[in-house]
Amino acid sequence: GAVVSQHPSWVICKSGTSVKIECRSLDFQATTMFWYRQFPKQSLMLMATSNEGSKATYEQGVEKDKFLINHASLTLSTLTVTSAHPEDSSFYICSAPGAKGQGNTEAFFGQGTRLTVV
Amino acid sequence: AQSVTQLGSHVSVSEGALVLLRCNYSSSVPPYLFWYVQYPNQGLQLLLKYTSAATLVKGINGFEAEFKKSETSFHLTKPSAHMSDAAEYFCAVSDMGGTALIFGKGTTLSVSS
Repeated sequence: GAVVSQHPSWVICKSGTSVKIECRSLDFQATTMFWYRQFPKQSLMLMATSNEGSKATYEQGVEKDKFLINHASLTLSTLTVTSAHPEDSSFYICSAPGAKGQGNTEAFFGQGTRLTVV
Repeated sequence: AQSVTQLGSHVSVSEGALVLLRCNYSSSVPPYLFWYVQYPNQGLQLLLKYTSAATLVKGINGFEAEFKKSETSFHLTKPSAHMSDAAEYFCAVSDMGGTALIFGKGTTLSVSS
């Protein structure tokens, strides 16, 4: 099946710095990428939807200036957490809808990134 | 708007016992339904999905789920639990292919020997 590769798998950064998370679709073109956040012992919450070549769509309550999303190519979407604070510590996961061959019902998830801000 | 409710945040079973994880959905259109498993600090692995074909869906690792429209349910079952089944399980719904999934709050499955 299709593969979405997410890097890094974990990162520790100092408060006030920025962190970039990458998601690449390895064997298909992802015109859309969904970004989720998961706090400990909680479910996945959709943060934003990135679309290749256009601005991302953010869910209510998500600061677009803090969580910068770029989808510059059909195989790469990035999420940058700017001026990170400890409350941004979380598990971030990307997901791409499946290629047309799967009837577009499949969703392929990255491995996730554990961000810890100290 | 769509939503998913997972009844029971924590389910404990003995090894070899039946596993039943409950999921009810709300959707104004025929839904696509999914069950995912997540191990600690890892991404999601798809167990099975319902996309309007057969109502009884068989997945990986011996899991299956039955779509019951009258009950708006999509419960996950496995006849005999293994220790390796201990993980977090998420039910999710979408209204059409290519859209973001709406996840339930998750159920932690514990398996004791």
